[in-house]
Amino acid sequence: EVQLVESGGGLVQPGGSLRLSCAASGFTFNNFGMSWVRQAPGKGLEWVSGTGYNGADTYYSDSVKGRFIISRDNSKNTLYLQMNSLRADDTAVYYCAKGVGIRPRWYFDFWGRGALVIVSS
Amino acid sequence: EIVLTQSPGTLSLSPGERATLSCRASQSVSSNYLAWYQQQPGQAPRLLVYGAATRATGVPDRFSGSGSGTDFTLTISRLEPDDFAVYYCQQYGSSPPLTFGGGTKVDIK
Repeated sequence: EVQLVESGGGLVQPGGSLRLSCAASGFTFNNFGMSWVRQAPGKGLEWVSGTGYNGADTYYSDSVKGRFIISRDNSKNTLYLQMNSLRADDTAVYYCAKGVGIRPRWYFDFWGRGALVIVSS
Repeated sequence: EIVLTQSPGTLSLSPGERATLSCRASQSVSSNYLAWYQQQPGQAPRLLVYGAATRATGVPDRFSGSGSGTDFTLTISRLEPDDFAVYYCQQYGSSPPLTFGGGTKVDIK
């Protein structure tokens, strides 16, 4: 059974940093691209960042480019999102999602339950 | 960046009725790389359809996707209680950013 479990969310002040983790199991992690997708309270889904199967290729939305860094450790079956210079509009539930398709054209067949990040003073 | 516009914003229907959800792209979606997701309150999205028309594993056949180019449709033939949720389309036909539509909420009339 595929499982994606996010951790590391919480309350952070504007300008601060936070690192999210996503522990994957139930599939061959190093065969698939992975992404982070977020959802602000009461809003729709927004793709944030993605990485290919080996972490060499990374992609970002314009809204987080230069502030967030995606990475993965295939030896630990874990995906990360380092979030720096956080702003109030980064407040959202952050989902880890398993990508299917030819890098970087992914759709997402499995999702984690999400980690809530609140940016507020 | 491809912008996806979903309509209507809210669809109020009764169980047993047919639901037709629209997703329109600002430019043609390459290879019809269009997916649909269902999201229940407080839950993660669930993949329903990919490649515009292929149902994901375990998805009931009352869900069907169609369309090509810039116009796509998700049809739910007969609504069941579990189908009242928010539905999102997503295009993956172009290099990032991958984009989602704004969502259609299907609620009980």
